[in-house]
Amino acid sequence: GQNIDQPTEMTATEGAIVQINCTYQTSGFNGLFWYQQHAGEAPTFLSYNVLDGLEEKGRFSSFLSRSKGYSYLLLKELQMKDSASYLCAVRRSGNTPLVFGKGTRLSVIA
Amino acid sequence: DSGVTQTPKHLITATGQRVTLRCSPRSGDLSVYWYQQSLDQGLQFLIQYYNGEERAKGNILERFSAQQFPDLHSELNLSSLELGDSALYFCASSPQKGQGNGYTFGSGTRLTVV
Repeated sequence: GQNIDQPTEMTATEGAIVQINCTYQTSGFNGLFWYQQHAGEAPTFLSYNVLDGLEEKGRFSSFLSRSKGYSYLLLKELQMKDSASYLCAVRRSGNTPLVFGKGTRLSVIA
Repeated sequence: DSGVTQTPKHLITATGQRVTLRCSPRSGDLSVYWYQQSLDQGLQFLIQYYNGEERAKGNILERFSAQQFPDLHSELNLSSLELGDSALYFCASSPQKGQGNGYTFGSGTRLTVV
């Protein structure tokens, strides 16, 4: 079976830091992805982790712990345009389809 | 423009009807994936094609079918439509290798069944 859990909603203040958590239980693991999706638009790729540790890309960082089945996406210096849904997705093996969590809707307020 | 083209962008149709959604993958990508996203639901995997062949099937209804043509574009056929089929349908593509880049999504087709 497979299960990917993320908080449904989060609110954070402009300029602040927010951490979005994702836990997963899947039969097999070959990478974890984070996507950003603005309402009614296509998801866009943010980050990829396959080994334990932190991957940093500008204001966004993503962390993975395979032993704990846990990842987080860290957004720094929040901007209003960061208001969107953030989707955690796991690939179980090879080129198999990504399995997505339901997403976390982030609202950035002034 | 992501390089993945989906048409049409919007579709309104009646229950019981049949529609075809079209997807052209990014140049060079051999894999095409179809996902359904309903209100308050995550992206639900429907079906995957790789270089013309069906590679994986998800929770795709028997009323739905798909294919990938020799030029690698793909079509998703939805028949005997029901109100609950109203959703955003996304196509995504990926290269054979380069697994770290994940998918590139098209802008989606918003299907409304009335």
